[in-house]
Amino acid sequence: EVQLLESGGGLVQPGGSLRLSCAASGFTFSKYSMTWVRQSPGKGLEWVSGITGTGLSTYYADSVKGRFTISRDNSKNTLFLQMNSLRVEDTAEYRCAREKDENSDYFSCYYDSWGQGTLVTVSS
Amino acid sequence: ETVLTQSPATLSLSPGERATLSCRASQSVSRYLAWYQHKPGQALRLLIYDASKRATGIPARFSGSGSGTEFTLTISSLEPEDFAVYYCQQRGNWPPITFGQGTRLDIK
Repeated sequence: EVQLLESGGGLVQPGGSLRLSCAASGFTFSKYSMTWVRQSPGKGLEWVSGITGTGLSTYYADSVKGRFTISRDNSKNTLFLQMNSLRVEDTAEYRCAREKDENSDYFSCYYDSWGQGTLVTVSS
Repeated sequence: ETVLTQSPATLSLSPGERATLSCRASQSVSRYLAWYQHKPGQALRLLIYDASKRATGIPARFSGSGSGTEFTLTISSLEPEDFAVYYCQQRGNWPPITFGQGTRLDIK
């Protein structure tokens, strides 16, 4: 059974940093591209960033480019999101998701497994 | 950025009825559109991808149609477990991936 478990969320002041983790199990992690999606309270879903299975290709939403860094450790089956220079508008539940297709060097951009999320609150 | 607009925002129906949910793209996404179901406290569930292909394990009562800028998710006969929020998502013009704002399907 595919499982994705996010952690690392919490309360942080504007300008601060957090590192989110997503522990994956039940599949060959290195063979799948992964993504982070966030949902602000009472709002819709916003794609944040994606990374191929090899880690060689990454993409970011303009709203986080230059502040967030996606990475992965395939030896530990873990996906990361380093978030720096956090803003109030980054407050959201952050979810990791696995792409539907097994392909370590390609983005299919459809997501068939999702975590439950970890809440990030940016407030002074 | 391709904006996805879902309608209606809320749909109130009874079990056994047919549900029709719409998603309109601000520019053509070809057939690169997916639908997800989200229930409170649960993970999102991929229902449909490439506009009309059912994901693994999705019941046949869920179907998708459309291309270009107009898409529809149809639930042929609502079951009690189908009441949830539904999102469309495009990968036709990315980055960025974009989602619609959601349609809440409520029990009437």
